[in-house]
Amino acid sequence: QQQVKQSPQSLIVQKGGISIINCAYENTAFDYFPWYQQFPGKGPALLIAIRPDVSEKKEGRFTISFNKSAKQFSLHIMDSQPGDSATYFCAASKYNTDKLIFGTGTRLQVFP
Amino acid sequence: DGGITQSPKYLFRKEGQNVTLSCEQNLNHDAMYWYRQDPGQGLRLIYYSQIVNDFQKGDIAEGYSVSREKKESFPLTVTSAQKNPTAFYLCASRVTSVSYEQYFGPGTRLTVT
Repeated sequence: QQQVKQSPQSLIVQKGGISIINCAYENTAFDYFPWYQQFPGKGPALLIAIRPDVSEKKEGRFTISFNKSAKQFSLHIMDSQPGDSATYFCAASKYNTDKLIFGTGTRLQVFP
Repeated sequence: DGGITQSPKYLFRKEGQNVTLSCEQNLNHDAMYWYRQDPGQGLRLIYYSQIVNDFQKGDIAEGYSVSREKKESFPLTVTSAQKNPTAFYLCASRVTSVSYEQYFGPGTRLTVT
């Protein structure tokens, strides 16, 4: 019940294309769903996050779609750029707890 | 500059030696965390602390110890009891009163041979 399943493990996209990464969870008590971006040898950086009271959140080229009934959420990167090449992690947690449960990561490569 | 500092960036130790990883934050965040990252396994929580002089075990605490004597500092000791200590270690912090968001440091890559 504590797992967050992330797919795909790796993704190759052409410049200008749309990158889509999916995550699924079991614990219905989760109410915070962030996405982190990590470049090689660096710490993860918070990219965008959503609470379950909304079905979509957009920040620039990055959009989270959230489907509460299916217990799934996804990250869409529009107009993908080579600079977006990184590993992306989804995560989930319950309000007022300290445990962020991370997915296993998706390595995105964007080719020119 | 506000942020989280981890030092050193790379650390090499011989098997059987204890080693302490440093984590300092000047964000005035209440909570601090240690994660371990291995290829293909995401991030796993080792220990966390919500206030000074208090800390809790995460999912993989065996072979590790921590202290929280100051709000800004949360060092992690990897003991000789940790069976597979080679990994990338990440420290994070959070303002607990108003935000869920955890902010990460740059990490320390520990290699034990």
